[in-house]
Amino acid sequence: DIQMTQSPSSLSASVGDRVTITCRASQSISDYLNWYQQKPGKAPKVVIYAASSLQSGVPSRFSGSGSGTDFTLTISSLQPDDFAIYYCQQSFDSPYTFGQGTKLEIK
Amino acid sequence: QITLKESGPTLVKPTQTLTLTCSFSGFSLSTSGVGVGWIRQPPGKALEWLAVIYWDDDKRYSPSLKSRVTITKDTSRNQVVLTMTNMDPVDTGTYYCAHSRATSGYRKRHFDYWGQGALVTVSS
Repeated sequence: DIQMTQSPSSLSASVGDRVTITCRASQSISDYLNWYQQKPGKAPKVVIYAASSLQSGVPSRFSGSGSGTDFTLTISSLQPDDFAIYYCQQSFDSPYTFGQGTKLEIK
Repeated sequence: QITLKESGPTLVKPTQTLTLTCSFSGFSLSTSGVGVGWIRQPPGKALEWLAVIYWDDDKRYSPSLKSRVTITKDTSRNQVVLTMTNMDPVDTGTYYCAHSRATSGYRKRHFDYWGQGALVTVSS
């Protein structure tokens, strides 16, 4: 199985901050990497797919980059609605594993 | 408009078999490239990918659960069924089904529509 490791596990930030979350794959996955946002009691929602493609309807302050084994999700200017848990997921090979999540909290 | 909804028992006893149904609308599982997957989440824990089925009846399973899990589709009824045998309390959690969309060929995929989730508790 391909292991996905996110860092940090939790992060405190303020509205307006620029935030970066990292995801590392245990082997090269090209750009087969997705990012999901999950709020309490809700289903996850895709924000970035194929490493850098912004999902329709997602604000442009979200961006993704990376290829191979190292990937980042960046939120350029945090808004109150962005505080949530973020998961990366690889779609390179089955099982299509998720990372352990990064909890983004308000400072 | 794509929607998915999970249904099934909220409580199962240890050793029993869980059957969950994902009923969907807004797409057809007979359309090339389409897939439906199952993902679960224990309370307070991370997402865990379980299985996926594609339009051509190709199926993939999590190796750790492969001996216990079966995924099937009923294209005419717009349903996907997940069966998990020998349930244990560690299987307690919210089970989601989701639409798998392909981009740039059929291999590069993401889940773009999700059901609301079904909470399943395993307890005697």
